[in-house]
Amino acid sequence: EAGVAQSPRYKIIEKRQSVAFWCNPISGHATLYWYQQILGQGPKLLIQFQNNGVVDDSQLPKDRFSAERLKGVDSTLKIQPAKLEDSAVYLCASSRSGQGNSPLHFGNGTRLTVT
Amino acid sequence: GESVGLHLPTLSVQEGDNSIINCAYSNSASDYFIWYKQESGKGPQFIIDIRSNMDKRQGQRVTVLLNKTVKHLSLQIAATQPGDSAVYFCAERTNAGKSTFGDGTTLTVKP
Repeated sequence: EAGVAQSPRYKIIEKRQSVAFWCNPISGHATLYWYQQILGQGPKLLIQFQNNGVVDDSQLPKDRFSAERLKGVDSTLKIQPAKLEDSAVYLCASSRSGQGNSPLHFGNGTRLTVT
Repeated sequence: GESVGLHLPTLSVQEGDNSIINCAYSNSASDYFIWYKQESGKGPQFIIDIRSNMDKRQGQRVTVLLNKTVKHLSLQIAATQPGDSAVYFCAERTNAGKSTFGDGTTLTVKP
């Protein structure tokens, strides 16, 4: 099966600019996640969708980050305005269901550099 | 609060030796414990998981051990190969699907 697709692979922006990332999950996967991975650390959950509804966005900095999954398939994550500390890899993952026994499948991420 | 940590940030082994990567966790309510492998420039890749009611599970060349008494998880890789060089993360996951990742151990395999 095709894996999780993410674009772009790399993005460099100046602080206070905006940026958007796109994710296409594995076909048939109901649950979609966005993670932030700062260099040298493990991924940190930003938001979890079940179909097109938000299940968990408790760690999403809502003053600058937003995400949507309008048709329950593709998703976009936006940052506006970006800060230096947003430099990280943004990983999208999907799973067949949101239950614990359904493993996560990750994309290769978007590496964001904010200067 | 929840936290998942690894004992050592780096591990270097000789090709052909066995590797043991350790992880300590703090959330007794987690239902699954998972090991991921992350190669440079790629996303984490699922290796193996274990349910909280088990203490050992084996896969191909890998074994995960769970000690709930001391809240300790380990990943054993048999006959380590150069292709095993990567960052390894442990994660804990609830039945509701909430995952928490540790900070990773970088495994280097010397030829």
